[in-house]
Amino acid sequence: GAGVSQSPRYKVAKRGQDVALRCDPISGHVSLFWYQQALGQGPEFLTYFQNEAQLDKSGLPSDRFFAERPEGSVSTLKIQRTQQEDSAVYLCASSSLVGREGQPQHFGDGTRLSIL
Amino acid sequence: GQNIDQPTEMTATEGAIVQINCTYQTSGFNGLFWYQQHAGEAPTFLSYNVLDGLEEKGRFSSFLSRSKGYSYLLLKELQMKDSASYLCAVTEGGSYIPTFGRGTSLIVHP
Repeated sequence: GAGVSQSPRYKVAKRGQDVALRCDPISGHVSLFWYQQALGQGPEFLTYFQNEAQLDKSGLPSDRFFAERPEGSVSTLKIQRTQQEDSAVYLCASSSLVGREGQPQHFGDGTRLSIL
Repeated sequence: GQNIDQPTEMTATEGAIVQINCTYQTSGFNGLFWYQQHAGEAPTFLSYNVLDGLEEKGRFSSFLSRSKGYSYLLLKELQMKDSASYLCAVTEGGSYIPTFGRGTSLIVHP
C-alpha cells in the first residue's frame, strides 16, 4: 500500500511477556518516528531514525524498550518484560526529508497494546 | 521543552464555525502543526505555520502569533465527519521532531 503500515493492529500480552511491534514506512522515506499514545492524550515521542541510524532515543521510557531499523526501511519496537503501564497505542510515522522545516509526518493506524 | 495547552473537548453544531485554540511555551520556536485524528485511526496532517498570520485551506484555516505563543484552527461549515481529535504540535530549537499537545476532542452534532 501507499501508506504507513503497522502490525499487529491489536496485541494482548500478559505482564512480563516480551512483545514486538512492526512498522513498514512509506517506501523511500528517510525519517521514521515511534510515538506512544495513551487514551485521551496526544502522541508522546519515543525514538527517531534517519535511515538505519537511531539518532534520538530520548523518549524511550526505560531500558525495556528497544527499537531498530537495520536496513533503513522496516522498523521494530520491542518491549521486554511488559508492565501494565505499557498499555497504549504505539504509532509509527515516516517523512521523506531530513531536517526540513514543516515536513509533515505520515502516520500509521497504530498498534493497540493491552497488558493484562 | 515545550508546554502546549489545548482545550480537552469542544462541541459544535453542523454547519457552524468552531475555533480550536492552542497556546505554547518554547525556548526556541520553529513552527506549529495541526493534525486531525479520528478515533482509532492515524493522525493526518492539516497545516503547518511558521510565520504570523492566517493560512486558509478550504474549510480549514490556521492562525499563528509567534509573539503571543498562540495558534488556532478554524473549521467552517462543520460536517458530522469533522468529529475527531485535533492535535497541535510544536517544533523548537534544532529539532524537527514535533511535540504534541493532548488534543482537543471535537463533537459535531446535528
